[in-house]
Amino acid sequence: QVQLQESGPGLVKPSQTLSLTCTVSGGSVTSGSYHWSWIRQPAGKGLEWIGRIYTTGGTNYSPSLESRVTISVDTSKNQFSLKLNSVTAADTAVYYCARTSRYGSGWYLFDYWGQGILVTVSS
Amino acid sequence: DIVMTQTPLSLSVTPGQPASISCKSSQSLLYSDGKTWLYWYLQKAGQPPQLLIYEVSNRFSGVPDRFSGSGSGTDFTLKISRVEAEDVGVYYCMQGIQLPRTFGQGTKVEIK
Repeated sequence: QVQLQESGPGLVKPSQTLSLTCTVSGGSVTSGSYHWSWIRQPAGKGLEWIGRIYTTGGTNYSPSLESRVTISVDTSKNQFSLKLNSVTAADTAVYYCARTSRYGSGWYLFDYWGQGILVTVSS
Repeated sequence: DIVMTQTPLSLSVTPGQPASISCKSSQSLLYSDGKTWLYWYLQKAGQPPQLLIYEVSNRFSGVPDRFSGSGSGTDFTLKISRVEAEDVGVYYCMQGIQLPRTFGQGTKVEIK
């Protein structure tokens, strides 16, 4: 049974760094069959893709956040992480981690999600 | 970025009746591999989104057959043949052909 679980501080001060971790069970973060993404959702609003990491450690980020985002993986803990620098109130949102998995010649994009973690940016 | 536009933004449906949601993309989602990278998700209240449909018309594991997807190029539709109470929530389309991944604004489906 695949499970993803986000963890990290629920409150971050403006200008500081938001740091979240996603712990994966039921699948390896090093498998070439998976990509691992972060997606966020401000309260009452839609979904915004932040970026992804895949098996070689390669990353892709949303251009709108690229200058402030780092996604990394810790294979020893089967986790991947998100760091977002210089946060403002506009970064307040529920943050989700999600898996993409390969099937045959295609991909199931975001087939499993964590429950999400609310991060509030406030002094 | 590819812009995804959904209509309507809200829908109130009598149980047992059909429902339809439209999604249009600002660019074709047909890739050179022959696949069309359009996905549908349902987000129920207080939950993360769940994958319903991948590549336009393929139901993900465990998704009831009352859900169907259709379309091509830039125009897509999600249909629920007979809406049930458990189908309430916000439906999102998403494009997977290009980074960054982008979602529609969401369509809120309620029961009358």
